[in-house]
Amino acid sequence: EAGVAQSPRYKIIEKRQSVAFWCNPISGHATLYWYQQILGQGPKLLIQFQNNGVVDDSQLPKDRFSAERLKGVDSTLKIQPAKLEDSAVYLCASSPLAGGSYNEQFFGPGTRLTVL
Amino acid sequence: DQQVKQNSPSLSVQEGRISILNCDYTNSMFDYFLWYKKYPAEGPTFLISISSIKDKNEDGRFTVFLNKSAKHLSLHIVPSQPGDSAVYFCAASHSGTYKYIFGTGTRLKVLA
Repeated sequence: EAGVAQSPRYKIIEKRQSVAFWCNPISGHATLYWYQQILGQGPKLLIQFQNNGVVDDSQLPKDRFSAERLKGVDSTLKIQPAKLEDSAVYLCASSPLAGGSYNEQFFGPGTRLTVL
Repeated sequence: DQQVKQNSPSLSVQEGRISILNCDYTNSMFDYFLWYKKYPAEGPTFLISISSIKDKNEDGRFTVFLNKSAKHLSLHIVPSQPGDSAVYFCAASHSGTYKYIFGTGTRLKVLA
């Protein structure tokens, strides 16, 4: 079974530029998550999709971050414009069950973003 | 407000000995806890979980203990192996949201 795929693996941009990350979850997984992990901290949930609908985006900075999940499969996370404090690893995860229950999340390798 | 805390940023243990990683939480609503392991340049991988109706869960060399009154859980690895060297995150959730709140992680180094 293929795991969660993310690209790119690394990205360096200057502040005020835009950037987009892509995630392909495990086939058939209903729920998809985007996390932000700043150096020295644990992953923080940005947004959760169930199929192609948003379940939780309470911690997503909506003035600059946006995300979509196309046809309930792939997802993109965009930052526009980027700030220095957005430097972090962006992790995508998926889980087989719909929200409303505890279920194991499978993480991708992450995209390391550096904003100069 | 850090609801899940791992106060030891790093831990070194000799191969074959026991590794004990600790995690404290503040929200009494949490009723499900997990441990994830993370190698460099990889995403976290699920290790073991425990529900608040239990005080212990065991899976091979890994055992998680939960002390609800102290709002504390610990992960025991016995015996520790060099391949266990990684960053370990504890995470907590409750049935109101099913969102996982992660701690800051503990870097374990098992010395051969």
